[in-house]
Formats: sequence, C-alpha cells, structure tokens
Amino acid sequence: DAGITQSPRHKVTETGTPVTLRCHQTENHRYMYWYRQDPGHGLRLIHYSYGVKDTDKGEVSDGYSVSRSKTEDFLLTLESATSSQTSVYFCATGLTEQYFGPGTRLTVT
Amino acid sequence: KQEVTQIPAALSVPEGENLVLNCSFTDSAIYNLQWFRQDPGKGLTSLLLIQSSQREQTSGRLNASLDKSSGRSTLYIAASQPGDSATYLCAVTMNRDDKIIFGKGTRLHILP
Repeated sequence: DAGITQSPRHKVTETGTPVTLRCHQTENHRYMYWYRQDPGHGLRLIHYSYGVKDTDKGEVSDGYSVSRSKTEDFLLTLESATSSQTSVYFCATGLTEQYFGPGTRLTVT
Repeated sequence: KQEVTQIPAALSVPEGENLVLNCSFTDSAIYNLQWFRQDPGKGLTSLLLIQSSQREQTSGRLNASLDKSSGRSTLYIAASQPGDSATYLCAVTMNRDDKIIFGKGTRLHILP
C-alpha cells in the first residue's frame, strides 16, 4: 500500500457549487493522477501531475482543475459542479506501476 | 489510439475451478501491462506487472502472461476461492513516462 489517502470519502453537493477533493501521499512519488470511474466507462483520466506545479490534462478534463503546491498533495476542483460529475473519483500515484487511493464518492444533486 | 478490451464483462465460476481472464490491446508497442483487482466500494490494488520484455509473472495462485505480438494478456487464477470475487482490470502503458490505459474490467463471481 503506497500510503494514499483521499478526503472526503463521501460528499453530496448541489449543482453549481464548487467542490475540492484532496489526495495525500506519503511515498514521495513524483507522478499523481485523478481518475473518475463510471459504469460503462471504466476508469478515465481527468488530470495528472508530473511534479510540483506541473500538471496536464487527461481525456475528460473539462469542468475540472487541479493544483499541486507540494509533492504530497494533489487537489481536484470542480469549479461549478454538475450532475454529470456525479461519480467515484480515484487518486493514484506512481509511474510505470500505479497505486490507488480508496476513492471519493461524489453525488451532485 | 490504444484500446484495451476485456471480455467477458462478467463471469461466474464454481469454487475450486481454475479460470482465465482475458485482455486484448490494439497497439502491441506497449511498455508494460498491469493487472489490478478492485473490490466493491474500494480502490484498485495492483496484482501483477509485466514488462514488455517479459512473457509472464506469477504471484501465489495468480499467473499473468503477455503475448505482445498478438496483443493479448491472460490472468490465470488457480483453485478459485470465494475471496477471489472482485473486478479485475487490465491496463497498459505505452511509454515509460506515459499514462496508463485501462480496460473496463471483468467482474468475477466465485460461487461457493
């Protein structure tokens, strides 16, 4: 286990509100990732980071932003949550072998 | 564009049987392939990682094989147990610094 925690683990929010999810790692991995997992779509990459302040978009980045001010923390922000962003969000770290956090279940009503 | 496919999407097998899960990918120029396990409501746990130069990896009752030329990998589970019930995902990386591309998984149910 790579020592990855996510907070919160569950959240219900209303459409139009901002939401920030946090991923914290203790392994000093350079690479960190945010995925969303939905039935029928599997895991899809939202954004990833290859170092402090270095981030890039994944395949489903619209409506999401990220920040990485410290090696151990990677934040995912939904600026104005929509119902289509209801999902389970996973953080991962590592490069050629990835390690996953426990997930955050987000419901947007 | 690389695509990873896992068929079937779901599989039920009586306890004690040996079974094989399949993964195929469209671009054979992969860097490595990884098998994950996901329990309901949980994150993914890495089971086996096969580098492109390797043909197989083993861990306990699990054996993963890789045939790059045909774009296929299999995960063999010996003497299945109810505790093996989970979703198994296959994922490939194209280059060392590249992102992982996941299949949609096979949901395995071992019948007691």
